[in-house]
Amino acid sequence: SQTIHQWPATLVQPVGSPLSLECTVEGTSNPNLYWYRQAAGRGLQLLFYSVGIGQISSEVPQNLSASRPQDRQFILSSKKLLLSDSGFYLCAWSAHRTGQGRGYTFGSGTRLTVV
Amino acid sequence: AQKVTQAQTEISVVEKEDVTLDCVYETRDTTYYLFWYKQPPSGELVFLIRRNSFDEQNEISGRYSWNFQKSTSSFNFTITASQVVDSAVYFCALSEAYTGNQFYFGTGTSLTVIP
Repeated sequence: SQTIHQWPATLVQPVGSPLSLECTVEGTSNPNLYWYRQAAGRGLQLLFYSVGIGQISSEVPQNLSASRPQDRQFILSSKKLLLSDSGFYLCAWSAHRTGQGRGYTFGSGTRLTVV
Repeated sequence: AQKVTQAQTEISVVEKEDVTLDCVYETRDTTYYLFWYKQPPSGELVFLIRRNSFDEQNEISGRYSWNFQKSTSSFNFTITASQVVDSAVYFCALSEAYTGNQFYFGTGTSLTVIP
């Protein structure tokens, strides 16, 4: 069965420090991978998605970047965190057409607090 | 334009009451997929249901039921005899067959079930 792992679960970082959040998927190959952010309130904002190794699409300009060094690994990074980067970050995967199967499967999330 | 609208931001019900969460969507695709996800306080999004655009049959799963009506572009979710464990944020989402790599999420409805 497919599983998705996301870590760390919580993170407190000072302003200006770097960030690296990692997400890995097991039990499937060539998944679509996504990073979402959920800021105060509840809306889910798509940050990045990837349809293959080295292929990254950015949905919003921001202080963050994403990389996909391996087929089932998706990394969210920042060189210098801002206070506004605080939020709940969710990684997700899907088959190549989200209508197939169960759409997105989400990781357990990382709660990032920038202080 | 918002592709998925969840007009109810917060709902409170007393335990054992029935509650309906509304979802209205917008798409030009003839083939699309609709989803509901539950986000409990722990944060992880949990898949509840997927519905194809060509299948308007309503579905019931235990205390949960979904009413899909293409004529009104709605995909409403009803919880019967609500329980405290149903307290969560619920998201409706749309995936279009033509641009199937992305979900469009509603802004979520926060449901509180009062014991």
